[in-house]
Amino acid sequence: AQKITQTQPGMFVQEKEAVTLDCTYDTSDPSYGLFWYKQPSSGEMIFLIYQGSYDQQNATEGRYSLNFQKARKSANLVISASQLGDSAMYFCAMREGPGGTSYGKLTFGQGTILTVHP
Amino acid sequence: NAGVTQTPKFRILKIGQSMTLQCAQDMNHNYMYWYRQDPGMGLKLIYYSVGAGITDKGEVPNGYNVSRSTTEDFPLRLELAAPSQTSVYFCASSRTGVSPLHFGNGTRLTVT
Repeated sequence: AQKITQTQPGMFVQEKEAVTLDCTYDTSDPSYGLFWYKQPSSGEMIFLIYQGSYDQQNATEGRYSLNFQKARKSANLVISASQLGDSAMYFCAMREGPGGTSYGKLTFGQGTILTVHP
Repeated sequence: NAGVTQTPKFRILKIGQSMTLQCAQDMNHNYMYWYRQDPGMGLKLIYYSVGAGITDKGEVPNGYNVSRSTTEDFPLRLELAAPSQTSVYFCASSRTGVSPLHFGNGTRLTVT
């Protein structure tokens, strides 16, 4: 079974609108972490936001927020007020288990290509 | 502050050749990782290290070797290159087992 599933190969959004990128995960470990990374066309991997499984509040970082629904095992990324520079590939990733045993290893989804139209 | 530095940026290898992808970080991170990214796909873990002298296999280790003699450096060795190893290789590091990974800019490798 896939550990991380991103069902949207591509998404389009109009500049200044909000967009949600979907991510579902599969783990039986009560301790885990969920990450979102951005990969622009230049290729580098940029960390955006993190949500721990025990965090009570949804994570937010500027225009990025994470809609964490633990019972549904989903961790969707919400980008508000989209900008042209948000056009990129977006990856959801999971650290399964506490840091002391997972050693920070991440499992990545296949990614969603976001295109922002002017 | 350079972060994670990978060299070379690009490389073309012939089948059967060998090479070492270099990775260095200046953040004093104990944890380091090698991932590969095939076209249109997510990243897959090749090897990781939790400190100097300690390495372990990830999801796709076949055809690769690593060493970690210092905290700063984590080279990835390809022996007998095969076309299936054509990929973009990313090195990453993290401060702790729960911290975000910091990635290098990647090495694009083509094996023909």
